[in-house]
Amino acid sequence: DSGVTQTPKHLITATGQRVTLRCSPRSGDLSVYWYQQSLDQGLQFLIHYYNGEERAKGNILERFSAQQFPDLHSELNLSSLELGDSALYFCASSVGANSGTDTQYFGPGTRLTVL
Amino acid sequence: QQQVKQSPQSLIVQKGGISIINCAYENTAFDYFPWYQQFPGKGPALLIAIRPDVSEKKEGRFTISFNKSAKQFSLHIMDSQPGDSATYFCAASTSGGSNYKLTFGKGTLLTVNP
Repeated sequence: DSGVTQTPKHLITATGQRVTLRCSPRSGDLSVYWYQQSLDQGLQFLIHYYNGEERAKGNILERFSAQQFPDLHSELNLSSLELGDSALYFCASSVGANSGTDTQYFGPGTRLTVL
Repeated sequence: QQQVKQSPQSLIVQKGGISIINCAYENTAFDYFPWYQQFPGKGPALLIAIRPDVSEKKEGRFTISFNKSAKQFSLHIMDSQPGDSATYFCAASTSGGSNYKLTFGKGTLLTVNP
């Protein structure tokens, strides 16, 4: 158990809908990262927050947004969902702001299925 | 643009054998190379990592070999066990700058037969 929690574990929704994925980092970790994992694209970095502030953006669609709250939990909002958004979404956390070298601890993921 | 290329996609090894997974990168600014292990239904977990100032790092049965001039690095699993069956991801990142992120390879599904 990495200490990172994600809810829900599974999510099934329809195209055009909006969903929110939630992540609680390990105790003491200030950074939260979001990743999308699909069979064809592998693990894709979406966005990184450190202590409430956005630090880096990856291949995140404009339909997706995220935030990190004062209690350090984070939410990833996915809107106008398309079939291609079906994937595993992972949250990871680390102690510091340097995503390049800080060990990232991954949560168990949220499996999103868009029908 | 795939900045980290990983091969093979899948690998079957007999118990006690050596598993070798290779990765190649393009960005010469990368200076941190971790390997992650992922079991079904779980998130990836850091296995071992290396920086380019050394050519090899060993932790137990797991060894990373690094070739800076060739821009390649590989994971060797000695005495492979059925419990090692998982998906392995190589990754790379830069430790400096302000927009650093982990770039992952597409993964290798390792099956170790008993």
